[in-house]
Amino acid sequence: EVQLLESGGGLVQPGGSLRLSCTASGFTFNSHVMTWVRQAPGRGLEWVSAISGSGDTPYYAYSVKGRFTISRDNSKNTLYLEMNSLRAEDTAVYYCAIRGTSGDYYVYFDYWGQGTLVTVSS
Amino acid sequence: DIQMTQSPSTLSASVGDRVTITCRASQSISRWLAWYQQKPGKAPNLLIYDASYLESGVPSRFSGSGSGTEFTLTISSLQPDDFATYYCQQYNTYPYAFGQGTKVEI
Repeated sequence: EVQLLESGGGLVQPGGSLRLSCTASGFTFNSHVMTWVRQAPGRGLEWVSAISGSGDTPYYAYSVKGRFTISRDNSKNTLYLEMNSLRAEDTAVYYCAIRGTSGDYYVYFDYWGQGTLVTVSS
Repeated sequence: DIQMTQSPSTLSASVGDRVTITCRASQSISRWLAWYQQKPGKAPNLLIYDASYLESGVPSRFSGSGSGTEFTLTISSLQPDDFATYYCQQYNTYPYAFGQGTKVEI
């Protein structure tokens, strides 16, 4: 059974930093691109970042490029999102998500974590 | 980057109605489009992938169509459990993108 468990959310001041983690199980971790999707309170879904199965190739939304860094540790089956220079508009529930079949391209999401809430406020 | 636009933003309907939601891409995405249903406080649930393929376990009253830049999600006979928010997502080209959502309400 595929399981995705996010952690690391919390309250942080504007300009601060936070690192999110997503611990995965139930599939061959290094065969799947891993993705972060966020949802601000009362708003829609926003694709944030993805990383190839090998970890060599990251992708970012324009809104976070240069501030967020995605990475993965395939030995620990864990995905990370390092978030710097945080702004109020980064306040959201952050989900990790995967496609059940392996591969780095044409990725829709049939498995999601429960999400972790990041609040950026003074 | 590819932009996704859904319409309408809100849809009022009754049980038994046929409902159609439209999603337009700012450039061609072939058939690389998915539809999700989301209920408050929950993660999204995949309904349709590759524009028209029904995800396993999803009721057959849901269907998807389209290619290129214009896509539709149809619910043939709206059920009480279907009142939710629906999102499209393009996965043709990174950075991927979601539509802004369509809330289906009573």
